[in-house]
Amino acid sequence: AQSVTQPDIHITVSEGASLELRCNYSYGATPYLFWYVQSPGQGLQLLLKYFSGDTLVQGIKGFEAEFKRSQSSFNLRKPSVHWSDAAEYFCAGPQSYNTDKLIFGTGTRLQVFP
Amino acid sequence: SQTIHQWPATLVQPVGSPLSLECTVEGTSNPNLYWYRQAAGRGLQLLFYSVGIGQISSEVPQNLSASRPQDRQFILSSKKLLLSDSGFYLCAWSPSRGGDEQYFGPGTRLTVT
Repeated sequence: AQSVTQPDIHITVSEGASLELRCNYSYGATPYLFWYVQSPGQGLQLLLKYFSGDTLVQGIKGFEAEFKRSQSSFNLRKPSVHWSDAAEYFCAGPQSYNTDKLIFGTGTRLQVFP
Repeated sequence: SQTIHQWPATLVQPVGSPLSLECTVEGTSNPNLYWYRQAAGRGLQLLFYSVGIGQISSEVPQNLSASRPQDRQFILSSKKLLLSDSGFYLCAWSPSRGGDEQYFGPGTRLTVT
């Protein structure tokens, strides 16, 4: 079975600092990968997606992510964090070959200090 | 544009009572539909998956069931709730062509007392 791992449960950064959230996947072929954000008590919102091609993908709210096959990683980055970015972030990828079902990481909770 | 609705937003039910959560999608046809449960600190667990009317795949053994009576309607049910059914339930849809992102509803917070 495929897996998506987010090693960091909780990250705290100061407003204006840079951010990198880690995501590792296990998948035989080139996967399609997603990052979602969830504010407390809300549904998930898609930040960005990678299907193929350019390994650096841009998303909404100033986020970007880089797909690195050699490291099996798809880390999310933002150069300058805003207080409104405080939320939980989920990485997701295909559950298996030829399926529409996704498997999600356990999430990283981001706390932003002023 | 497409929208997805869930109701109710919150629900408090006693153990042993029935459950019905509803999810509807607007602005698309023949979507794939999903029910997830999210427990604190445990990410999202896929409960049910549907590719069409009456076509339901159960992903984990549980006390819940799902139905899809119409193309864009997905219902999560239980005959008798357990304490362990408490959680945040999310409905999602994706285009039926495959390999696409999923779009999530606002969720239902269920507390079983």
